[in-house]
Amino acid sequence: SSELTQDPTVSVALGQTVRITCQGKSLTRSFASWYQQKPGQAPILVFYGENKRPSGIPERFSGSASGDTSSLTITGTQAEDEAEYHCSSRDTTYTRWLFGGGTRLTVL
Amino acid sequence: QVQLVQSGAEVKKSGSSVKVSCRASGGTFSIFEVTWVRQAPGHGLEWMGEIIPVFGTPKYAQKFQDRLKITTDELTSTVYLELSNLTSEDTAIYYCARCFGSQSRTNWFLPWGQGTLVTVSS
Repeated sequence: SSELTQDPTVSVALGQTVRITCQGKSLTRSFASWYQQKPGQAPILVFYGENKRPSGIPERFSGSASGDTSSLTITGTQAEDEAEYHCSSRDTTYTRWLFGGGTRLTVL
Repeated sequence: QVQLVQSGAEVKKSGSSVKVSCRASGGTFSIFEVTWVRQAPGHGLEWMGEIIPVFGTPKYAQKFQDRLKITTDELTSTVYLELSNLTSEDTAIYYCARCFGSQSRTNWFLPWGQGTLVTVSS
């Protein structure tokens, strides 16, 4: 089992808001980073740190953290946001990288 | 802007080894921290190991400690992953990625290589 836990599947209606969560002990010492992966493509970074969004990522992607849980929120979800979302962080000793099992987001 | 370009798909026999390359363009390669991550079919991402070329000492996930080797060639700005004693469970897409903030609270991977499919058959 993964040291970062994500719900396997989440669904959201088009235009609505969805929150994808990631839970693990390491998140008490590291912020999560979030990656979007579409079928047949490499992951791309969509959010990281306390409040950082890479260049080119829409403002509808945001993140938050509380205790051992981090969240990625998509506000006004678009059809093109349908993808697998992975969280990652350094472990508590900063010696290993951890990944969640991934959340498959379906846009209805 | 840094780009990572990986070598092409490989088909290997069980028990053999595979070597995958990841060439960087743009930026100062020697101070990059590069990590390798794999994704088996229908599964999530799995961290394998990392290296900082200027230091040259790789770190490996315990699971791969005895059969993984990560090396660099600074002349060609290339990082290599070599995995030995392959089994069907090693069939996966292998990604390299540049990592930031590995010793800080804010850490991330950017960019990622395009991925290399390694298929292991018996």
